[in-house]
Order: sequence, then C-alpha cells, then structure tokens
Amino acid sequence: NAGVTQTPKFRVLKTGQSMTLLCAQDMNHEYMYWYRQDPGMGLRLIHYSVGEGTTAKGEVPDGYNVSRLKKQNFLLGLESAAPSQTSVYFCASSYSRGRGDADTQYFGPGTRLTVL
Amino acid sequence: AQRVTQPEKLLSVFKGAPVELKCNYSYSGSPELFWYVQYSRQRLQLLLRHISRESIKGFTADLNKGETSFHLKKPFAQEEDSAMYYCARQGAQKLVFGQGTRLTINP
Repeated sequence: NAGVTQTPKFRVLKTGQSMTLLCAQDMNHEYMYWYRQDPGMGLRLIHYSVGEGTTAKGEVPDGYNVSRLKKQNFLLGLESAAPSQTSVYFCASSYSRGRGDADTQYFGPGTRLTVL
Repeated sequence: AQRVTQPEKLLSVFKGAPVELKCNYSYSGSPELFWYVQYSRQRLQLLLRHISRESIKGFTADLNKGETSFHLKKPFAQEEDSAMYYCARQGAQKLVFGQGTRLTINP
C-alpha cells in the first residue's frame, strides 16, 4: 500500500495563478482532510470530507475549494493564489468509526507551495 | 469551541534529561486525546493515544481531567526524539490540533 500520496511535492506560483493539489489514498478511508502548516500556527484544517461527494469547511477555508468525486481522491484548488497561501499543505485520511467520529489520521508527505 | 493549547513553541533539553511537552484542552465531557509527531523529512504520524494507555518510544501521556491536561513525558531524552510534536483532540468528524512544540535534544 502506498498509503496517502500527494501531488506535486513542490510548486512555485505567481500571484493570481491557479492550481490543484491532488491527494490520493488506497486504504479505503471514508474521511479525508486538507491542512496547512505554518511556523508558529501549527496545523490548521482547510476543508474536509466525510465521504465521496461530500465536503465541509474547516478552520481556514477562504481562498480554497475542494472536491471529492472519488472516494480515494481529495482535490484542493486555489483559484487565484495569494502570497498568504505560501505554506506546506498536508492531506490526511482516516476510517470512520460509524458514529460520526474519525479514527487515527494518516498523513501524506506534504506539498510545499510558494506564491510570489 | 474545543481548543487544544501547547504553551511551548520551542523546547530544548539535553540528552538523558527528562522531557515534558505540555498540552491543555478545553473541558467538554470525556475527551479523546492524541499525540502526533513529525520527524525531520518524514510525514506526520500518530505517536500515542490516551485510550491505549501505552508507552511508545519511551513516551507516555496521562490524561488529567482535573487539570484538563495531557502532557507527554519521557524520563530520558534521546537525540532521535528531536521532532515537532502536536497534541490533538477528537472533535466531531475531525481532530483539533494544538499549535505544536518543536523539541530539540542537545547532545
């Protein structure tokens, strides 16, 4: 099993450009998450999904959109990148416990994004 | 709102010394708490969870409901313990993470 993979690993964008980050998991997990990691801010949840076709806003959703068309994939889109979106982005996935709770989260390796 | 607070952004100790990484949570019922760790150039991974009551890599964490704390402890630090540590609490459908503590073990 590859676990959780992220594409690309690195990217440099100019302000105003758009891009999509891809997260894939092969563990048949129901729940998937996108976080950003910034110095001194820890991990902040951007958006998450509790199943195919569903998405929900996290702590810092502005400027991002997501889609979960297939259970194994969770896409994070930046429509018009801004320097404030320079960060390391992590995807994670977990099982559902069946009572609305998620189990241990498994993380991808991260995508380092720089917006100039 | 459920909150997790890690008061120390940076913690530096010498090899062989005891380590304690602090974590406090906002009170709400019976919390389920975790410690995640990110070693250099590795992905974030679960270190331990309080319901398991286990010791992983010499680390333990005890839930103290009276003080709403879940501090991570190790009696003798090793250089390979240097990493970023996150305390997290189970919320509805997602985890709530603290700000993280970067632990450095000096030789």
